Amino acid sequence: KNEVEQSPQNLTAQEGEFITINCSYSVGISALHWLQQHPGGGIVSLFMLSSGKKKHGRLIATINIQEKHSSLHITASHPRDSAVYICAVSKASGTYKYIFGTGTRLKVLA
Amino acid sequence: DTGVSQDPRHKITKRGQNVTFRCDPISEHNRLYWYRQTLGQGPEFLTYFQNEAQLEKSRLLSDRFSAERPKGSFSTLEIQRTEQGDSAMYLCASSFSGMGLAGDTDTQYFGPGTRLTVL
Repeated sequence: KNEVEQSPQNLTAQEGEFITINCSYSVGISALHWLQQHPGGGIVSLFMLSSGKKKHGRLIATINIQEKHSSLHITASHPRDSAVYICAVSKASGTYKYIFGTGTRLKVLA
Repeated sequence: DTGVSQDPRHKITKRGQNVTFRCDPISEHNRLYWYRQTLGQGPEFLTYFQNEAQLEKSRLLSDRFSAERPKGSFSTLEIQRTEQGDSAMYLCASSFSGMGLAGDTDTQYFGPGTRLTVL
């Protein structure tokens, strides 16, 4: 079983819809990261969370440490939000490497 | 722009050849990471450096792979005797570790990647 699991793997939405992507992890973490990857490979950091909730524009990320679960929400989705969204964790053991989920491929239709 | 850069962006090679990739991190970052990503999968950790010291290597990093960061700045990843299974995107990332001091955000900044195709 992977240490970081994401769902769904693929998601198609209509423009304007509210989108939720889920991430569960099975290890102790120092932080959880939400990343965005566009075709061609570039990865951009969206959020780093160790507790609670963060908001940036139309993006909201939450984490529940007790349940080892995080969600990424996109409000009023737009075709430019189409990308792969990846959840990654930094373990609590002190190594700083990221352990990644397999990603959620989001396509927002106009 | 002083982001993470990687060179080349694309590399096509024949099986059995050696290839070398370069990563230039953000200048003040002391940690540098290499990851590998195959199609449809999330990236997998290969190795990381703190300054010039290679502190961790994944089991994925077979003896055909070697990475260096000789002066604690840029890094190279070499693959010897390439195999078709080495075809992937090789990603470099950097971060600042202040050993718990202010500025140590644990946030990694990624380069654009080098896409390797082994024929």
